[in-house]
Amino acid sequence: QSALTQPASVSGSPGQSITISCTGTNNDMGTYNLVSWYQHYPGKAPKRVIYEGNKRPSGISNRFSGSKSGNTASLTISGLQVEDEADYYCCSYVSSGTWVFGGGTKLTVL
Amino acid sequence: EVQLLESGGGLVQTGGSLRLSCAASGFTFTNYAMTWVRQAPGKGLEWVSTLTNIDGSPHYADSVKGRFTISSDSSKNTLFLHMSNLRTEDTAVYYCAKTAMVYARGFDYWGQGTRVTVSS
Repeated sequence: QSALTQPASVSGSPGQSITISCTGTNNDMGTYNLVSWYQHYPGKAPKRVIYEGNKRPSGISNRFSGSKSGNTASLTISGLQVEDEADYYCCSYVSSGTWVFGGGTKLTVL
Repeated sequence: EVQLLESGGGLVQTGGSLRLSCAASGFTFTNYAMTWVRQAPGKGLEWVSTLTNIDGSPHYADSVKGRFTISSDSSKNTLFLHMSNLRTEDTAVYYCAKTAMVYARGFDYWGQGTRVTVSS
């Protein structure tokens, strides 16, 4: 149950786009796109922004998008806004009621 | 409106026990799996345990297996996490999360968390 690998930090300027990668193994990423992404402000409840790799929950801006290639999933945030500054975590459904999170990425909007 | 309210956190010595609770409302509790996720100070989110709704089976991260027990009281719409033989590395904020109907969709609602501090 090793954590998925994410970059510790990424940064961008308002209006720019950034991409956060999330790399696992065949065992935890698998064939299908079972990755969800969470936005987490310190001291607050995490919020799901992407599920099943590329689907947005109701109310989530279309500036958030997801993709997957092989054992690497990616979250892209376009048109960066100051309020996007937060920690972002990927999470993969492994099997039968078990999940694994990534180590988290701190997004700084300069 | 879905609401999840955790309680029961606090300060405990190593080797001690604690029971966390998560009071759920705004959805049919028995229709969904429920999950505990934690975040240690300065660390990332870590999946801890899930109680599935299909057959009521519990699942645990290796780091807590044999020490933590997840359970629920459906009459009170409450999820529990019984933690025993606590270690300093169990110090974390513990979040309760509602699991999506399709498990692969992850966790669609989260509580605000309850803090557990294990001191030697």
